[in-house]
Amino acid sequence: EADIYQTPRYLVIGTGKKITLECSQTMGHDKMYWYQQDPGMELHLIHYSYGVNSTEKGDLSSESTVSRIRTEHFPLTLESARPSHTSQYLCASSVRWGTGSSHEQFFGPGTRLTVL
Amino acid sequence: AQSVTQLDSQVPVFEEAPVELRCNYSSSVSVYLFWYVQYPNQGLQLLLKYLSGSTLVKGINGFEAEFNKSQTSFHLRKPSVHISDTAEYFCAVSETSNTGKLIFGQGTTLQVKP
Repeated sequence: EADIYQTPRYLVIGTGKKITLECSQTMGHDKMYWYQQDPGMELHLIHYSYGVNSTEKGDLSSESTVSRIRTEHFPLTLESARPSHTSQYLCASSVRWGTGSSHEQFFGPGTRLTVL
Repeated sequence: AQSVTQLDSQVPVFEEAPVELRCNYSSSVSVYLFWYVQYPNQGLQLLLKYLSGSTLVKGINGFEAEFNKSQTSFHLRKPSVHISDTAEYFCAVSETSNTGKLIFGQGTTLQVKP
């Protein structure tokens, strides 16, 4: 059973606010990912991490930032939210390379963000 | 570069009928292939995956998929659908040699009617 958590599940905020979306996993996975998904659309990778103190930009440019200070925790921050940031944000994790199923990603329930 | 194309954006089907959701991919190297399902307001759940071996892969909830290397396809099938199968389905590909990044298709909405 995959254990990956995201909070909050829903967030409605005003323009200009700073927000942090939380993502935690209890599986000890090295790799973690953040995706952005607009309604009815595909997932776009915006950030990923291969371990503590490792973060990389994804395929879709994003104004958000991430940090990876602990293996289990991968928060995403928007310094100044705008209506264009309105979307669903999905966090995922996977095991390290070499274990045979390293490419399978486990997903959290997502955070639906609305910026007014 | 890899890409994934899901050929149908929406598939309406009656309950207990068979269904096929089509997925084609493009890659110059060996790949792993996945099908995920997303129910409303939830994250993605793995249905099945192809890593190697038999080209016919069985997954959860009665779904199966067949990897066809010559046609670069990985179509998802179920012989008899239920109302509860109504959801969004995503095909994804990952190069076997890279560090685990998935490329997703655009998604197919399966709508099962009573």
